[in-house]
Amino acid sequence: GAVVSQHPSWVICKSGTSVKIECRSLDFQATTMFWYRQFPKQSLMLMATSNEGSKATYEQGVEKDKFLINHASLTLSTLTVTSAHPEDSSFYICSALDPFNTGLDGYTFGSGTRLTVV
Amino acid sequence: GQSLEQPSEVTAVEGAIVQINCTYQTSGFYGLSWYQQHDGGAPTFLSYNALDGLEETGRFSSFLSRSDSYGYLLLQELQMKDSASYFCAVRDRTGGFKTIFGAGTRLFVKA
Repeated sequence: GAVVSQHPSWVICKSGTSVKIECRSLDFQATTMFWYRQFPKQSLMLMATSNEGSKATYEQGVEKDKFLINHASLTLSTLTVTSAHPEDSSFYICSALDPFNTGLDGYTFGSGTRLTVV
Repeated sequence: GQSLEQPSEVTAVEGAIVQINCTYQTSGFYGLSWYQQHDGGAPTFLSYNALDGLEETGRFSSFLSRSDSYGYLLLQELQMKDSASYFCAVRDRTGGFKTIFGAGTRLFVKA
């Protein structure tokens, strides 16, 4: 089935620095990818929809200048957390839509990135 | 916008059957999915319903009633490893078929 690779799996950074998270579709082309954030014991909150070759669509309340999303190819989307602060510490997960399999397995999730800002 | 409601916690014993309900509100409903997530892990897909009725996949079944904006996940022959969080999620055709998750139901399976 469709596989999405997400890196890094965990990262610790200093407050004020930027962190880039990559999400790759390994065996299919993903024109659309989604980025979620999950705080401990909470649900996955959709942050933005990433479309290949165009600007990302951000959900209400998500700062587009802080969470930069780039989807430059059909297999790669990146999320950059700029000027990270401790409150940005969270579990970030990407999800990709296989355009040829919008049925049962339409969405595939990456393994997630646990970001800790110190 | 979209909203989903599901119980926050459910406790059951090994071998039992448990049903996790989900009600939703959305303007562009396309389908209802269920995901399992163990602590520290990523969500894994369990089931998807686009049409009314019951879908069965091994020990797990999922039901959808679009007229009632309601669905449930049925877990049979519970095992300890089924202890996890279960999320219902609505696939919405507006905004590129994005998936919106419910708050999750934490299932505790006891011996």
